[in-house]
Amino acid sequence: AQSVTQLGSHVSVSEGALVLLRCNYSSSVPPYLFWYVQYPNQGLQLLLKYTSAATLVKGINGFEAEFKKSETSFHLTKPSAHMSDAAEYFCAVSEGSNYKLTFGKGTLLTVNP
Amino acid sequence: DSGVTQTPKHLITATGQRVTLRCSPRSGDLSVYWYQQSLDQGLQFLIQYYNGEERAKGNILERFSAQQFPDLHSELNLSSLELGDSALYFCASSVGMGQGYNEQFFGPGTRLTVL
Repeated sequence: AQSVTQLGSHVSVSEGALVLLRCNYSSSVPPYLFWYVQYPNQGLQLLLKYTSAATLVKGINGFEAEFKKSETSFHLTKPSAHMSDAAEYFCAVSEGSNYKLTFGKGTLLTVNP
Repeated sequence: DSGVTQTPKHLITATGQRVTLRCSPRSGDLSVYWYQQSLDQGLQFLIQYYNGEERAKGNILERFSAQQFPDLHSELNLSSLELGDSALYFCASSVGMGQGYNEQFFGPGTRLTVL
């Protein structure tokens, strides 16, 4: 069965600092991995996805994530945080024949001026 | 704007009542998914439809049901509502049957409050 663990329900960074949001997954087959962002009172927007091509995936708004099979991780990073990055971020996993997305609990990112 | 629309945006009702949530997928998407987001359970998959047929079921209560119509819009029916059903309900859509690599596009959600 697939599952996702996001370490840290709340991460706080200063504007301009590195953003690192952690995600570990469990999957019995090669997974497809996704990062979604949710701004207050809005739906989820896809940031990036891993579908077994390049292990380093670049997404929108300067975010990227690296798939590390040996560590079963898919951490999200951004070199320099902007105030507009403040939101909740969800990591999700999907298996090839299993259509549903399984989400982590989410990480709330706060960016301080 | 993802192209997925959901109505209503907010719904306030009483325990024991029945409500219907509506979703229109992106143009061309045949799969519709329903998710529930609550503080204690997080984001949970409820059910998926593909071109009018049920394809996958998740943690959906027996009091809940869904369907997808010939025009591909979907409705989620929640009955005998309880306080614990208060949550954000999201609809998502994707191209094709919902192969794992297909990204899902989410609507803005319907916030249900049961009093």
